[in-house]
Amino acid sequence: DGGITQSPKYLFRKEGQNVTLSCEQNLNHDAMYWYRQDPGQGLRLIYYSQIVNDFQKGDIAEGYSVSREKKESFPLTVTSAQKNPTAFYLCASPSYEQYFGPGTRLTVT
Amino acid sequence: RKEVEQDPGPFNVPEGATVAFNCTYSNSASQSFFWYRQDCRKEPKLLMSVYSSGNEDGRFTAQLNRASQYISLLIRDSKLSDSATYLCVVNFNTGGFKTIFGAGTRLFVKA
Repeated sequence: DGGITQSPKYLFRKEGQNVTLSCEQNLNHDAMYWYRQDPGQGLRLIYYSQIVNDFQKGDIAEGYSVSREKKESFPLTVTSAQKNPTAFYLCASPSYEQYFGPGTRLTVT
Repeated sequence: RKEVEQDPGPFNVPEGATVAFNCTYSNSASQSFFWYRQDCRKEPKLLMSVYSSGNEDGRFTAQLNRASQYISLLIRDSKLSDSATYLCVVNFNTGGFKTIFGAGTRLFVKA
């Protein structure tokens, strides 16, 4: 079955540590997106990539970094510079509609 | 002004009620439109696409008004299981394809 996988589902980190969230797709899609969702809020775009080796900042890129070395993979690093990193992170890949991974819930204390 | 705006929630309705959500978008280059459903602590899932002529899927009806730049979702005969957050989604192409999500409208259906 084609789809998007994200791991881990829950992640706990201490403040000041960088953490990398995994996103893999086997849909053969060119584009991949990272969103952040806070409780009771909509999705906000962090970074997106339309093609391998290229990515663009979204609306809230500060404190985050990405890479797109392979078509299947689009990892997101939450750096210590991100002031409020605790959130639900969703990876997505569109064709006509957006396909979402199950999300990673990151808690930083 | 946000690119995609939705009705503020939450909507609290009894079972069997009809409820309507509206969503406005600001970019006239918008090309495709969707409604997604998101359950608590889960990823959003596609509920239905929205076509220019309007479309229906069981108890759900979606409408698009390009002139006024809004889309709507009507849910008839609400069920308890309809309780969720409904996200309006707009795709547009202005030198690059982009997807914008609305903030979502929370629906609570009560017995």
